[in-house]
Amino acid sequence: KAGVTQTPRYLIKTRGQQVTLSCSPISGHRSVSWYQQTPGQGLQFLFEYFSETQRNKGNFPGRFSGRQFSNSRSEMNVSTLELGDSALYLCASSLNGGENTEAFFGQGTRLTVV
Amino acid sequence: DQQVKQNSPSLSVQEGRISILNCDYTNSMFDYFLWYKKYPAEGPTFLISISSIKDKNEDGRFTVFLNKSAKHLSLHIVPSQPGDSAVYFCAASAWNTGNQFYFGTGTSLTVIP
Repeated sequence: KAGVTQTPRYLIKTRGQQVTLSCSPISGHRSVSWYQQTPGQGLQFLFEYFSETQRNKGNFPGRFSGRQFSNSRSEMNVSTLELGDSALYLCASSLNGGENTEAFFGQGTRLTVV
Repeated sequence: DQQVKQNSPSLSVQEGRISILNCDYTNSMFDYFLWYKKYPAEGPTFLISISSIKDKNEDGRFTVFLNKSAKHLSLHIVPSQPGDSAVYFCAASAWNTGNQFYFGTGTSLTVIP
């Protein structure tokens, strides 16, 4: 069974540009969450999608957005990039939207903004 | 506001001994807790979880203890092996927030051969 796949693995962008990251969850998983990891900050929750609907949203500015397709694949978009957006972006998939369900993470996309 | 805290950024343990990683939380609504292990340049890997209706859960060398009154959980690794060297994150979720997990900042464990 394939795991969570994130593309691309590495990305370098210039300030002011926008970027789109992609995540393919584990087959059969309907919930996809996105996290940002920066040094010393742990993993910060961005948003969660379940059945193509955003169900939860973290405390990030509106420049961060996402969507989920009917096949559960998800994309995350960051517009007007800032230097502080440089981070590892992790996608996690879960089987359903129920309680007490562990999340499985992809390898992440390392975004560097210069 | 960091609702899940790991106050020890690093821990070193001799091979074969016990590793104890600690985690504190502030939100009393949290009812599900997990530990993840992360190697550099990889995503976190799920290790073990515990529901708030339990105070202990074991899986092989890994045991998680939950003290709800103290809002504290710990991960015990016995015996520790060099391959356990990684960053360990604890995470928590509440029943009413779906799959939104709150993570600690991680503890880097080094197991010395």
